[in-house]
Amino acid sequence: GENVEQHPSTLSVQEGDSAVIKCTYSDSASNYFPWYKQELGKRPQLIIDIRSNVGEKKDQRIAVTLNKTAKHFSLHITETQPEDSAVYFCAASISHTDKLIFGTGTRLQVFP
Amino acid sequence: NAGVTQTPKFQVLKTGQSMTLQCAQDMNHNSMYWYRQDPGMGLRLIYYSASEGTTDKGEVPNGYNVSRLNKREFSLRLESAAPSQTSVYFCASTPGRADSEAFFGQGTRLTVV
Repeated sequence: GENVEQHPSTLSVQEGDSAVIKCTYSDSASNYFPWYKQELGKRPQLIIDIRSNVGEKKDQRIAVTLNKTAKHFSLHITETQPEDSAVYFCAASISHTDKLIFGTGTRLQVFP
Repeated sequence: NAGVTQTPKFQVLKTGQSMTLQCAQDMNHNSMYWYRQDPGMGLRLIYYSASEGTTDKGEVPNGYNVSRLNKREFSLRLESAAPSQTSVYFCASTPGRADSEAFFGQGTRLTVV
């Protein structure tokens, strides 16, 4: 079945440094790749997404890149701040549906 | 708009008890979902509903049943709770397009003892 692998499971960075989280997916027909941020005790919320006809998308300090040939996509956070500390989930659409397969999450800690 | 609302927020059950988790959305979304979140496992789809009256199994449906009562409401029932069902449960909804944002409820923390 469809699968999304996410690495690393934990990531610690100093404030101001960059953070990169990587995901690979198995379904070559996937065409939608969102990223969700979940703060402690809160619900997941969409922070950025990318569609298969685009290779890169940026929104202020966050960016996502997609390599369809290799079936992987990455989240890049620059100039990290303590409020970026959270669990981040990648996801990929299941072909011909509006269902998502989620990665296992990355716990990002940004130290002041 | 309240978005997606789940009740209850917390629940403790004894093994073998039953309960229903309620979910309602006020965004006129077509699709609704139930996920469970376990440490190191991410969000796993339990059941899915593309429209009123239709439901479909997800990755981990065993031990659960669902009802799409109307367009707004999607409930998840545990008929005979087991300790393995201890988890945080999230309801979500989307408009129904393949590339649309999922909006999540605030979650239900369920403990089965």
